[in-house]
Amino acid sequence: EEQLVQSGSEVKKPGESLRISCTGSGYNFANYWIGWVRQKPGKGLEWMGIINPGDSDTRYSPSFRGQVTISADKSISTAYLQWSSLKASDTAIYFCARQQEVMDPKDNWGQGTLVTVSS
Amino acid sequence: SYVLTQPPSVSVAPGETASISCGGNNIGSKNVHWYQQKPGQAPLLVIYHDSDRPSGIPERFSGSNAGNAATLTINSVEAGDEADYYCQVWDSYNDHVVFGGGTKLTVL
Repeated sequence: EEQLVQSGSEVKKPGESLRISCTGSGYNFANYWIGWVRQKPGKGLEWMGIINPGDSDTRYSPSFRGQVTISADKSISTAYLQWSSLKASDTAIYFCARQQEVMDPKDNWGQGTLVTVSS
Repeated sequence: SYVLTQPPSVSVAPGETASISCGGNNIGSKNVHWYQQKPGQAPLLVIYHDSDRPSGIPERFSGSNAGNAATLTINSVEAGDEADYYCQVWDSYNDHVVFGGGTKLTVL
């Protein structure tokens, strides 16, 4: 079965760093882009960025460029979303999703990772 | 940057047809994808490339795209179709994904 499994929920304080992960299985991880999507409580989907694990080509939404870092390690079929200094406004569910090409649909999604940032 | 506009909510009685619009400048020239999201779940792709259905998605779901609007149509709506629906395109000019604001489908 082709699937994406994300790391578990996190509770952090403002100013702390964090890295969450998304691990693919059942398919060739390097052949699909992995994107990250934010969903704040009760709100819609916001695209954050996308990475090609095969060559690490990365694109960011202007809203998130400089705020997060997207990376991947194809040797362990895992993509990452990283913050160096969290804010309370980063509290949200973060989804990873794969797509074959940048213009293609996101055909497989991770289960989501809840990140709570509170003092 | 490119903007997709969806109605916040659509209501329909069971067995009727629901139509959810997604407006964008010359959206007919782009490939539109639609996702269904139920509470507490990840989004699920229901229509891609304007009108194609992934395997496992009922034939009741269909899509169209022309001019400045794309439409997701759900025939013979069932209670289980109640969810949020999002349209999405790739903005090739700015090199990024764009989501619509989402539409809450309520089955009366």
